[in-house]
Amino acid sequence: GAVVSQHPSRVICKSGTSVKIECRSLDFQATTMFWYRQFPKQSLMLMATSNEGSKATYEQGVEKDKFLINHASLTLSTLTVTSAHPEDSSFYICSARDRSRANQPQHFGDGTRLSIL
Amino acid sequence: SQKIEQNSEALNIQEGKTATLTCNYTNYSPAYLQWYRQDPGRGPVFLLLIRENEKEKRKERLKVTFDTTLKQSLFHITASQPADSATYLCALSYSSASKIIFGSGTRLSIRP
Repeated sequence: GAVVSQHPSRVICKSGTSVKIECRSLDFQATTMFWYRQFPKQSLMLMATSNEGSKATYEQGVEKDKFLINHASLTLSTLTVTSAHPEDSSFYICSARDRSRANQPQHFGDGTRLSIL
Repeated sequence: SQKIEQNSEALNIQEGKTATLTCNYTNYSPAYLQWYRQDPGRGPVFLLLIRENEKEKRKERLKVTFDTTLKQSLFHITASQPADSATYLCALSYSSASKIIFGSGTRLSIRP
């Protein structure tokens, strides 16, 4: 079945560091990918919609200069958390939509646990 | 503002019983309603999708209903098993291609 891979699965770094998270669709092409953030015991909150070849669309309250999104190919989107601080510690999850199966649900990655010290 | 509520944060039931989870929404008219399962430290896994013009959908031991008048969906797991223990998320969208908004989830525990 369709697989979405996220890397790394876990990252621990010092405050002020920039961290890049990759989201790949392994067996399908995705013109649209979505980035979510999930705090403990809370639901997934959509951060932004990543569109291949164009700028990402950010949800209200999400700083685009803080969370840089690049969707350079049909199988890869990256999220860079710039100058990360402890409050950015969270579980980041991406999802992707198969461009050839428009009416099918999104496929989710297994998330990246980000811990900022 | 749009709001999606799942009836309880946690639900504990005996193995073999039917688990029923509720999803209510306000200020929203979704065309699609989906249910996902999420295990600790993992991403959500898609279970079922139901459209606004469908009343009920089934898949093996799972059943979903969608009442657009009540603005409510019910998610049933029959003959529940300990392996069904997980967090279940309700999610809404205007179309199959639009963004998804998730509910807060219900943590289901099935005791042997």
